[in-house]
Amino acid sequence: NAGVTQTPKFRILKIGQSMTLQCAQDMNHNYMYWYRQDPGMGLKLIYYSVGAGITDKGEVPNGYNVSRSTTEDFPLRLELAAPSQTSVYFCASSRNAGVFYGYTFGSGTRLTVV
Amino acid sequence: DAKTTQPPSMDCAEGRAANLPCNHSTISGNEYVYWYRQIHSQGPQYIIHGLKNNETNEMASLIITEDRKSSTLILPHATLRDTAVYYCIVGQTYSGAGSYQLTFGKGTKLSVIP
Repeated sequence: NAGVTQTPKFRILKIGQSMTLQCAQDMNHNYMYWYRQDPGMGLKLIYYSVGAGITDKGEVPNGYNVSRSTTEDFPLRLELAAPSQTSVYFCASSRNAGVFYGYTFGSGTRLTVV
Repeated sequence: DAKTTQPPSMDCAEGRAANLPCNHSTISGNEYVYWYRQIHSQGPQYIIHGLKNNETNEMASLIITEDRKSSTLILPHATLRDTAVYYCIVGQTYSGAGSYQLTFGKGTKLSVIP
């Protein structure tokens, strides 16, 4: 059971470039989330999805887009990378909403924008 | 406004009990207390949660005061692998639509010393 798999683990982008952070889970969880964590800070929710075809904004959605075409996958798209998007990105999933003990996190993608 | 207050850092000798405090003076009657930890650069990991009774599992114990305004996470025999940032979170559990955001603060950095 792989859990939540994120790729790539590390990436350096130049300002203005685009990229997609991949997230896949094999637990048949309906709910998936993208968080970012800046150095020394807690996690902030970027986007979340309650099921295939349904996504919604979290606390810090500007500069990002998401899609959820399947239950398993929840990619995060950065269209025009900016230095403020330098962060560690975590994908998570849960079987139910609002059941905060049920979150499974991936190992993260460390992104640097230069 | 922060819903929880935790000390920024603590030290604990290996093999001794680690007691991590958390203040949540504005907690409402239907909000749970959850604890997660984040081991260096990895995704957060669920530890334990509780409503008003003390809870214990294979990882830790959670002691919640009678007025529910504070709690303590206890790692009974800390090891070097318990060195991590520990997050105390309060939130409601919903059976359906509701808050999807797991709000992380800065947590407590626990250092287990040999």
